[in-house]
Amino acid sequence: GDSVTQMEGPVTLSEEAFLTINCTYTATGYPSLFWYVQYPGEGLQLLLKATKADDKGSNKGFEATYRKETTSFHLEKGSVQVSDSAVYFCALTKPASSGNTPLVFGKGTRLSVIA
Amino acid sequence: DVKVTQSSRYLVKRTGEKVFLECVQDMDHENMFWYRQDPGLGLRLIYFSYDVKMKEKGDIPEGYSVSREKKERFSLILESASTNQTSMYLCASSFRHHTGELFFGEGSRLTVL
Repeated sequence: GDSVTQMEGPVTLSEEAFLTINCTYTATGYPSLFWYVQYPGEGLQLLLKATKADDKGSNKGFEATYRKETTSFHLEKGSVQVSDSAVYFCALTKPASSGNTPLVFGKGTRLSVIA
Repeated sequence: DVKVTQSSRYLVKRTGEKVFLECVQDMDHENMFWYRQDPGLGLRLIYFSYDVKMKEKGDIPEGYSVSREKKERFSLILESASTNQTSMYLCASSFRHHTGELFFGEGSRLTVL
């Protein structure tokens, strides 16, 4: 079945460091890819998405590019802040044309940013 | 703003008790979902619903049931709580077609003693 694999955490960075969180997927058809973020004590919220190959999703300084050739959707940010400390989830779903499925999530990567 | 409200943030129950977790959304979404979140396991789908009175099993439905009598409300039921159901439960909703854009509640942390 469809699956998402993301790097295990926790990841600890100093403020202003560069962030990469790796995410790869296994899916038939043409999935849409997502990054969700969960801040402490809150539910998940959508951070960014990409719906087709070579699309780049971006939001709040975070970016991820849909790479079909490597089945990857790595999350990056050039300069992290303490407020970025959270758990990040990679996820996929398939559109109606490929067989509608609920979101499949990775296991999450905890990021801690220290001042 | 879309709001998904889960009735209880924290619950403590005894083994064998019947537990109801309630979720209400205010955006007229057709789809509603229940996930559980556990360290090292991420989010796992328990049940979901595309419409009133309909339900679909997710990846881990055993030990759970759901009810959707009204469009805005989706309840998760643990018929006889067990200690291995101690977890964080997250409710989410979305519009009909699976765009992947879910709106989540803040979660209900259940402890079963």
